[in-house]
Amino acid sequence: AQSVAQPEDQVNVAEGNPLTVKCTYSVSGNPYLFWYVQYPNRGLQFLLKYITGDNLVKGSYGFEAEFNKSQTSFHLKKPSALVSDSALYFCAVFMIKAAGNKLTFGGGTRVLVKP
Amino acid sequence: EAGVAQSPRYKIIEKRQSVAFWCNPISGHATLYWYQQILGQGPKLLIQFQNNGVVDDSQLPKDRFSAERLKGVDSTLKIQPAKLEDSAVYLCASSLFSGDYNEQFFGPGTRLTVL
Repeated sequence: AQSVAQPEDQVNVAEGNPLTVKCTYSVSGNPYLFWYVQYPNRGLQFLLKYITGDNLVKGSYGFEAEFNKSQTSFHLKKPSALVSDSALYFCAVFMIKAAGNKLTFGGGTRVLVKP
Repeated sequence: EAGVAQSPRYKIIEKRQSVAFWCNPISGHATLYWYQQILGQGPKLLIQFQNNGVVDDSQLPKDRFSAERLKGVDSTLKIQPAKLEDSAVYLCASSLFSGDYNEQFFGPGTRLTVL
């Protein structure tokens, strides 16, 4: 079975400090990994994805993620967090199946950026 | 480009009642998804359509949930009868195709409360 885990329910960081949101995965075969963000009362928004190639993936709003095959991780990072980055972040793995392809999401990590 | 539209945004019903949700995907997107997001959890795929055909409904509780996508555009998700544990946000998403790694675009969701 393929799955993702987000070990932290919440991450607190001061504005201007680096932000890291952790994600580990378990898949058979090559992993296809995504990060989404969810603001209050809004749907999920795509941030970035890793399919193949460079292990450092750059995405929207200054976010990036590093794919680490040996550690089976895909941590989301931002060098300098903003108060507006406070939201719920989801890591997801794209599963290729005979009966349809689908995203399987982690449980989410709430990020709180304090001024 | 207009996003994924969903209605209603909020719905409160009593257990054993019926409810229906509507989704209009992004124009030209062949694949449509319905997810259930219970508070504190990541979204869980209920059903996936490719045009007007069902690709994956393995996680759909078929004794009470049904969904259709007539003409391969709009979709409705119905619950009949509702149970307390159906309280959740129901998210609709769409993507160009299901067989590649394009990101899914999510609507704002319908928050269902079952009393």
